[in-house]
Amino acid sequence: GAVVSQHPSRVICKSGTSVKIECRSLDFQATTMFWYRQFPKQSLMLMATSNEGSKATYEQGVEKDKFLINHASLTLSTLTVTSAHPEDSSFYICSTFLGTEAFFGQGTRLTVV
Amino acid sequence: AQRVTQPEKLLSVFKGAPVELKCNYSYSGSPELFWYVQYSRQRLQLLLRHISRESIKGFTADLNKGETSFHLKKPFAQEEDSAMYYCALSGWTGGGNKLTFGTGTQLKVEL
Repeated sequence: GAVVSQHPSRVICKSGTSVKIECRSLDFQATTMFWYRQFPKQSLMLMATSNEGSKATYEQGVEKDKFLINHASLTLSTLTVTSAHPEDSSFYICSTFLGTEAFFGQGTRLTVV
Repeated sequence: AQRVTQPEKLLSVFKGAPVELKCNYSYSGSPELFWYVQYSRQRLQLLLRHISRESIKGFTADLNKGETSFHLKKPFAQEEDSAMYYCALSGWTGGGNKLTFGTGTQLKVEL
């Protein structure tokens, strides 16, 4: 079946540095990728929608300068957390649709120290 | 706006007991409803969707448009059903197809 691969699965970074998270569709082309943030024992909150070849669409309250999204190819979308702070520590998940079914990456646990 | 409500954060049942995870939605159009499951240390995965009307791992869910509900049911809970369950709605917004999740229900099946 369709597979979405997300990397890294876990990252620890120092406060003030930037972290890039990659999301790849392995056996299909994904023109749209969704980026979610999940807090412990809470729901997935949609942060932004990336579209191949165009600007990402951010949800209300999400800082576009802090969470940079790039979707340069049909199989790769990246989320860069810039100037990370401890409050950015969270679980980030990417997802895309194939038809009407959503497929998810395995998630990235970001810890900012 | 589309919204999904799961009123229970935690549901604890004994093995063999019936399970019902509640989900209500709000959407102006014709929605597609899904249940996703997240087992411990695994990625989110699709459990079932209303359009297929199938039973997966003994779970079923019926879309009730009158009550705007899509409750997940299983007649006899098993220990391996312990997981986090998310109800989700797929709807078209101005920017494209969008999946909205409920807050999730942690199901704990006790022996």
